[in-house]
Amino acid sequence: TQLLEQSPQFLSIQEGENLTVYCNSSSVFSSLQWYRQEPGEGPVLLVTVVTGGEVKKLKRLTFQFGDARKDSSLHITAAQPGDTGLYLCAASGGTSYGKLTFGQGTILTVHP
Amino acid sequence: KAGVTQTPRYLIKTRGQQVTLSCSPISGHRSVSWYQQTPGQGLQFLFEYFSETQRNKGNFPGRFSGRQFSNSRSEMNVSTLELGDSALYLCASNYGGFGTEAFFGQGTRLTVV
Repeated sequence: TQLLEQSPQFLSIQEGENLTVYCNSSSVFSSLQWYRQEPGEGPVLLVTVVTGGEVKKLKRLTFQFGDARKDSSLHITAAQPGDTGLYLCAASGGTSYGKLTFGQGTILTVHP
Repeated sequence: KAGVTQTPRYLIKTRGQQVTLSCSPISGHRSVSWYQQTPGQGLQFLFEYFSETQRNKGNFPGRFSGRQFSNSRSEMNVSTLELGDSALYLCASNYGGFGTEAFFGQGTRLTVV
C-alpha cells in the first residue's frame, strides 16, 4: 500500500512570507498531483508532475518532483491571504485504475 | 465545459437509513471515482467505475456500493447508515486512462444523526 506523508500538517504565516510543503513516500510514483481545497468544496488540481527531477511553476507556486520519484515539494513565494486552504498531494502508481492515494494535507492560513 | 456535478450538496439522515448520492461527470469523461473525506482519515478511495464496470475498489464495507450508467453518470449508495459515515463524499471524473488527472465535484456533505 502506498502511503504519502505530508508535512507540515498546519502552517500559519503572515502575508508576504515564503513556505514549503513536503510530500514523501517510500514508494515510487508514476505521477504525483497537487490539489488545493477550500472549505465545503472539492479539491482543485494545481499541477501534475511525472518526470523525476521535474520542476513546474504556476505563478508564485513552484512544484518539484524528486529525482527518484518518491517525494515532492510545493513552494509558495510571497504568500497571500487568497492562498489559504488545504493543500493535498496525491499519487497514482502500480496498476490501480482510478485510484489516487492522498496525503493527509497541509492546512495553510495566511494572515493579512 | 461544465464541471463535475454532485447532488445533493447536503443531506441529513438518521442512523439505519440508506442514502443515494449522484455524480454527473464532465462531458466525455468515462471514469468516475468516489472518495470519502473526514477530518480524521482524510480522503479515502471508495471505488472507480469505467464504462459501467467497477474496475477498482477501496477498503470499505459492503454497505457502500455504486453503479455507473451508460451516460457515465454514477451513483453511490450507503445502506444501514452509521454515525461514522458522516463525511464529505466526493466524486471525480477523467477520461479513464491510467494515472490521469482527476477533476472533482463540490461534494455531498452527509450528516448521520
